[in-house]
Amino acid sequence: RKEVEQDPGPFNVPEGATVAFNCTYSNSASQSFFWYRQDCRKEPKLLMSVYSSGNEDGRFTAQLNRASQYISLLIRDSKLSDSATYLCVVKSGSARQLTFGSGTQLTVLP
Amino acid sequence: GAVVSQHPSRVICKSGTSVKIECRSLDFQATTMFWYRQFPKQSLMLMATSNEGSKATYEQGVEKDKFLINHASLTLSTLTVTSAHPEDSSFYICSATLAEPQETQYFGPGTRLLVL
Repeated sequence: RKEVEQDPGPFNVPEGATVAFNCTYSNSASQSFFWYRQDCRKEPKLLMSVYSSGNEDGRFTAQLNRASQYISLLIRDSKLSDSATYLCVVKSGSARQLTFGSGTQLTVLP
Repeated sequence: GAVVSQHPSRVICKSGTSVKIECRSLDFQATTMFWYRQFPKQSLMLMATSNEGSKATYEQGVEKDKFLINHASLTLSTLTVTSAHPEDSSFYICSATLAEPQETQYFGPGTRLLVL
């Protein structure tokens, strides 16, 4: 079983749609959680950290369910510029390494 | 935000040559830098953790004699792919850790290596 699992997609949605991505992680001792976005042939960029209480940044909402070891990202009113691959990322234990999911590809259509 | 640079951005080389990739944190000091590799349509895979002034810690399956890492200062880490072969062709990305918040990692723009 992969440490971090994501639905690879692709998700093709019209502009203005709401889209949700899910992610599960296997290490119950994981401590920090993030969503990164990666554009084609570019480096990953931090989208947002995910906190236990859930957090929102504009059109983006992240949720964490520790009991189910589940992380989600909700994008409201999607824009063309949201088209990218969204990476679920987990940091576990005392190690400083990040473990990346394989990413979910999103295409927002005009 | 924190800025990390990588050089070169892309390199094409002949099989058997060695390639050095530099990773710099431009506006902060990073005690730890990470090197990742990403093959097409796959996610980032951690290769090694680079700590300033000490030997790098390599992930299982990554040959330390093939991928030489030097972290000579708090702002510079280098990865040298020795005797590169076509199967080493990949997108190599470094990241540097900013202590707060949550030890966020900031990524360099990546180096695309093509070995002919």
